[in-house]
Amino acid sequence: EDQVTQSPEALRLQEGESSSLNCSYTVSGLRGLFWYRQDPGKGPEFLFTLYSAGEEKEKERLKATLTKKESFLHITAPKPEDSATYLCAVQAVKGGSEKLVFGKGTKLTVNP
Amino acid sequence: DTEVTQTPKHLVMGMTNKKSLKCEQHMGHRAMYWYKQKAKKPPELMFVYSYEKLSINESVPSRFSPECPNSSLLNLHLHALQPEDSALYLCASSHRRDSPYEQYFGPGTRLTVT
Repeated sequence: EDQVTQSPEALRLQEGESSSLNCSYTVSGLRGLFWYRQDPGKGPEFLFTLYSAGEEKEKERLKATLTKKESFLHITAPKPEDSATYLCAVQAVKGGSEKLVFGKGTKLTVNP
Repeated sequence: DTEVTQTPKHLVMGMTNKKSLKCEQHMGHRAMYWYKQKAKKPPELMFVYSYEKLSINESVPSRFSPECPNSSLLNLHLHALQPEDSALYLCASSHRRDSPYEQYFGPGTRLTVT
């Protein structure tokens, strides 16, 4: 069964304190791994798609990386506006491959 | 433009009411999705439409009835809901269903069943 595990469940940082969020996955065949940001009461906002091990993508203070077993979302010098829940999801290669399997998310709080 | 719109933003309905949620996208996407999200949980897939045809129903109770009138619109008809159906209902779209295209989500409809 495809599984996605995110850690930590919650993370508190001081403004400017860099850190990383982890997403480990077990799937029968990875088609894509997606990172989303979700603010309370709103829909998830797409951040990145990663397709293969070794791939990296960056956007402002965020950088996503992918290995064969996990992905990291690195946050460099975060600001309070980066506070949100970050969701990781994978799309597997098999019947029903259009289904995303989501992790439970990491709630990030950045204090000023 | 990567916008998916949903109406209404909030909906309160009784258990005997009939209501509909609406979703619209103009990105030319041919796959559209309905998700249900409870507080502090990830989104749960309900339905997938591909080229306006229902391709996945995740064993959702019949009190939820999806409809895809055309490639830009997706509706979710609600009837005889239960209080436990209260949740954030999210619509999403992607280029196609069978490729690793990212899904773009709408802002959601906050549904409260009384």
